[in-house]
Amino acid sequence: KAGVTQTPRYLIKTRGQQVTLSCSPISGHRSVSWYQQTPGQGLQFLFEYFSETQRNKGNFPGRFSGRQFSNSRSEMNVSTLELGDSALYLCASSPRTSGGTDTQYFGPGTRLTVL
Amino acid sequence: AQSVTQLGSHVSVSEGALVLLRCNYSSSVPPYLFWYVQYPNQGLQLLLKYTSAATLVKGINGFEAEFKKSETSFHLTKPSAHMSDAAEYFCAVTSPKGGNKLVFGAGTILRVKS
Repeated sequence: KAGVTQTPRYLIKTRGQQVTLSCSPISGHRSVSWYQQTPGQGLQFLFEYFSETQRNKGNFPGRFSGRQFSNSRSEMNVSTLELGDSALYLCASSPRTSGGTDTQYFGPGTRLTVL
Repeated sequence: AQSVTQLGSHVSVSEGALVLLRCNYSSSVPPYLFWYVQYPNQGLQLLLKYTSAATLVKGINGFEAEFKKSETSFHLTKPSAHMSDAAEYFCAVTSPKGGNKLVFGAGTILRVKS
């Protein structure tokens, strides 16, 4: 089975721009979560989507948004980029067969640099 | 609220020596606990997880961890370090009804000396 794929792997943007990152989960997985990883703040949960609905949300400003499509692929969008948004953005998928907690499988991440 | 504390941002061991990475958690509900490993320029790989079954959990690559409720700990061990174990290790917590919102520790970088 192919793993979680994320595109693009690297991205350079300037302040004020917006960016869209894409994540394709493992085949059959219905839940996609997004995390931000920075040297200063570590790994922080952004949000989770399951069956095209946001199920959990972390403590990030409204500039960070996401969506999930009917094929479970997900995108996250960051508008009005700030220098502090430079980070590795990780996507994780899980089967979410129950209403509780599943093991999450992570993709390689998208490295976003904001200049 | 849940939180994780990983003692020691850097740990250095000799090849063949015992690896011990410390993780203490805080949770008002029974926790689910995970250890992930991250190699440079890669995502996170699951090593093992505790979901309220056996308290001693065995994972991949010879790693294991023991859930100790009285100590609120979930330390990761490996009897004999290998050069390929050099990486960053993250402990994470959630709860049975917490969905997939993982709360991570700050990470521990493991260095293995030859």
